[in-house]
Amino acid sequence: KAGVTQTPRYLIKTRGQQVTLSCSPISGHRSVSWYQQTPGQGLQFLFEYFSETQRNKGNFPGRFSGRQFSNSRSEMNVSTLELGDSALYLCASSLGGRGRLGETQYFGPGTRLLVL
Amino acid sequence: AQKITQTQPGMFVQEKEAVTLDCTYDTSDPSYGLFWYKQPSSGEMIFLIYQGSYDQQNATEGRYSLNFQKARKSANLVISASQLGDSAMYFCAMRETNTGNQFYFGTGTSLTVIP
Repeated sequence: KAGVTQTPRYLIKTRGQQVTLSCSPISGHRSVSWYQQTPGQGLQFLFEYFSETQRNKGNFPGRFSGRQFSNSRSEMNVSTLELGDSALYLCASSLGGRGRLGETQYFGPGTRLLVL
Repeated sequence: AQKITQTQPGMFVQEKEAVTLDCTYDTSDPSYGLFWYKQPSSGEMIFLIYQGSYDQQNATEGRYSLNFQKARKSANLVISASQLGDSAMYFCAMRETNTGNQFYFGTGTSLTVIP
């Protein structure tokens, strides 16, 4: 079974631009979560999508948005990029059932975004 | 308050020795799950081991075991017989029933295995 894939792997943008990152979950997984990882803040939850609906959201400004398609693939968009948005963006997929505490999230390799 | 605390920013261990990575957590939810992930320099998070709050036995997966002390709210990862390939960042994470699928991560511990 193929793992979680993320594209692109590396990205360089300038302040004020916008960026779209893509995540393809493991086949059969319906939940996709996005995390931002920075040296200063660690791993922070951005949002989770399940069956094309945002099910949970972290504490990030509205410049960060996402969506999920009917095939469970997800995209994350960041508008009006700031220098502080430079980070590793990780996507994780899982089956997504509620109440399944032991259900593991499987992570992709991440997209490294550098904002200049 | 931090939900997951990892107090060891960096650890060193001799090859073939055992090492314990500390993790404490904070939750009022009686039903929760604890996870450990490994992140090599390549960036991908690799799932290692899981412990449920109602599990009576400590979880084990090969060379990984979880020392779960519920009353102390600690979930330490023990790696036995360390290998050079174990050098990586290690993250403790928690999922609560009340917050759905969201994982809370600690700040991580950087483990270096010395030959």
